[in-house]
Amino acid sequence: ETGVTQSPTHLIKTRGQQVTLRCSSQSGHNTVSWYQQALGQGPQFIFQYYREEENGRGNFPPRFSGLQFPNYSSELNVNALELDDSALYLCASSLAGGHPTYEQYFGPGTRLTVT
Amino acid sequence: GNSVTQMEGPVTLSEEAFLTINCTYTATGYPSLFWYVQYPGEGLQLLLKATKADDKGSNKGFEATYRKETTSFHLEKGSVQVSDSAVYFCALSDLVSSYKLIFGSGTRLLVRP
Repeated sequence: ETGVTQSPTHLIKTRGQQVTLRCSSQSGHNTVSWYQQALGQGPQFIFQYYREEENGRGNFPPRFSGLQFPNYSSELNVNALELDDSALYLCASSLAGGHPTYEQYFGPGTRLTVT
Repeated sequence: GNSVTQMEGPVTLSEEAFLTINCTYTATGYPSLFWYVQYPGEGLQLLLKATKADDKGSNKGFEATYRKETTSFHLEKGSVQVSDSAVYFCALSDLVSSYKLIFGSGTRLLVRP
């Protein structure tokens, strides 16, 4: 059974650019959640996708957007990058819209640096 | 809104010492509570969870009890090992917030031989 994978591992972008991060969910999981973890902080919820629909969103501006594909993999897109977007971006896959009965499995993250 | 507060770190202990990391929460309704661990350079791993009041979650010698009266979920281990050195995050989720996980700021644990 393959775990949650994310790509790329590291990324350096310039302020104002756009970036796409990718997440492959664990086999059989239909829910993907994205989190932003700034250095020294706890992860902050960005949004969740359940069966290809957005199923909840945190306090992030619209320039953070996402997609979930029929195979339940997901993308996180960030437009007009700002320096404060520098962080570790984590995705987590689970079942049933993230119901706590089911464990959320986290990927290793993508480290984004905005210069 | 919902929130989680953890004791600040770092917490530095000698091997075989007793560990307590405090966690309190604010939430409407009846959240589920979690402890996650993050080893250097890795993502988060679920350590234990409790889904209702008075439940005790346990795993790998770690324990935490869901205390609704004190809104707490303190993490304990009777005898820590060097390999327990990591960052520990307390978190909650509930139906109202679409089961998103709300994390505390994390507590770094360093265990010395």
